[in-house]
Amino acid sequence: EAGVAQSPRYKIIEKRQSVAFWCNPISGHATLYWYQQILGQGPKLLIQFQNNGVVDDSQLPKDRFSAERLKGVDSTLKIQPAKLEDSAVYLCASSLDRQGNGFEAFFGQGTRLTVV
Amino acid sequence: AQTVTQSQPEMSVQEAETVTLSCTYDTSENNYYLFWYKQPPSRQMILVIRQEAYKQQNATENRFSVNFQKAAKSFSLKISDSQLGDTAMYFCASLSLNDKIIFGKGTRLHILP
Repeated sequence: EAGVAQSPRYKIIEKRQSVAFWCNPISGHATLYWYQQILGQGPKLLIQFQNNGVVDDSQLPKDRFSAERLKGVDSTLKIQPAKLEDSAVYLCASSLDRQGNGFEAFFGQGTRLTVV
Repeated sequence: AQTVTQSQPEMSVQEAETVTLSCTYDTSENNYYLFWYKQPPSRQMILVIRQEAYKQQNATENRFSVNFQKAAKSFSLKISDSQLGDTAMYFCASLSLNDKIIFGKGTRLHILP
């Protein structure tokens, strides 16, 4: 079974530029998460999708971050414009469902973003 | 709101020893799940072990086991016969139904040869 795929692995941009990350979850997984992990800290949830609907985006800085999950499969996370403090690893995860037996999340390898 | 607290930022143990990582959590839910994830330098988060709150029996997975104390809201991870490959960041996490997965700040574990 293929895992969660993310691209790119690394990205370096200047502040005020735009960047987009892509995630392809495990086939059949209804729930998709985007986390931000700043160096030395635990992952912080940015947004959670159930199929193509947003379940929780309370910690997403909506003035600069946006995310979509068209057709309930792939997802993109965009930052526009980027700030220095956005430097972090962006992790995508998916789970079969939020409840029941499929609740555990499987993670991709992440995208390391450096804003200079 | 859920919270997860890991009070040990960093630990080191000799290979083959046993080590216990601490985690406390807080939730108002009765039905929830607890996890330990491992994050090696490759960055990929790997699920180590999970515990359903309604189960009294502590979960075990080979060399990994948990001590789940529901009343104390404590969920520690024990690694027996530690190996060099166990060197990683370890994150405790909780999931309440109809809520999100919340992670602690992590414990960096070094296994020394």
